[in-house]
Amino acid sequence: DAKTTQPNSMESNEEEPVHLPCNHSTISGTDYIHWYRQLPSQGPEYVIHGLTSNVNNRMASLAIAEDRKSSTLILHRATLRDAAVYYCILSHFFTSGTYKYIFGTGTRLKVLA
Amino acid sequence: DTAVSQTPKYLVTQMGNDKSIKCEQNLGHDTMYWYKQDSKKFLKIMFSYNNKELIINETVPNRFSPKSPDKAHLNLHINSLELGDSAVYFCASSQERLGGGYTFGSGTRLTVV
Repeated sequence: DAKTTQPNSMESNEEEPVHLPCNHSTISGTDYIHWYRQLPSQGPEYVIHGLTSNVNNRMASLAIAEDRKSSTLILHRATLRDAAVYYCILSHFFTSGTYKYIFGTGTRLKVLA
Repeated sequence: DTAVSQTPKYLVTQMGNDKSIKCEQNLGHDTMYWYKQDSKKFLKIMFSYNNKELIINETVPNRFSPKSPDKAHLNLHINSLELGDSAVYFCASSQERLGGGYTFGSGTRLTVV
C-alpha cells in the first residue's frame, strides 16, 4: 500500500495562509490524493481531493506536483476553527469499484490568535 | 439530519463480553466502512461493504463480525472483548466511484476494562 509522509505538527497565525505538505513518492497511477481533517472528538471530515490537476473548493486548494509524488493543501486564511489534524490520504482502487483509504499519521495544525 | 449516525457514542464493558455497534447512513451511498482509531490516533480500515457484500476485510480477528442487513446499515459485532479492543470506531460511507469521498460518523468510543 502506498503511504504518505506529513510533518507531525505545524503552526500558523490566524488570517494567514497555511501550506500543509505531503509526500507520497510510491503513489500509483490510479491513486487519488485526498485530504481530510479531524477536529477533536469528531470523525474525519472531507476537505478536498484530486488526481493530477490542482483543485480548488470553498474550503481549500490542492496543489499536486507534476510527478504526483507530493502535494500541498492550502488554506487561504486560517481561522481558529481550522485547528485540527489534517490527513493526506491515498485512495487505493479495487476492481470491485470501491476505494480503500490508507491514512497516515497526519499533521496537527495549531492556529494562533 | 445526521448523515452517518453511530450508536452508542460511548461503550464501557468488561473483558470477555460481547457487544455491538450500529451504523446507519441516510445518504443513499452504496459502500460503507468500519475504521478503528487507536490511542495514537492512527486510523486503520477494518471492513468495507458494497451493496451488502463484503469487499474489504483487513485481517481483523474473527471476533469482529460486520453485518449489513441493507445498504443503509453496517453493524459491528465484537465477541469476547479484549483490553486491546479499546479504541474509537468510526463508520463511514461513500458513493463516488472516481476517487472516493467518505462521510464519517462521529465515532464510538469503546473502553474495555
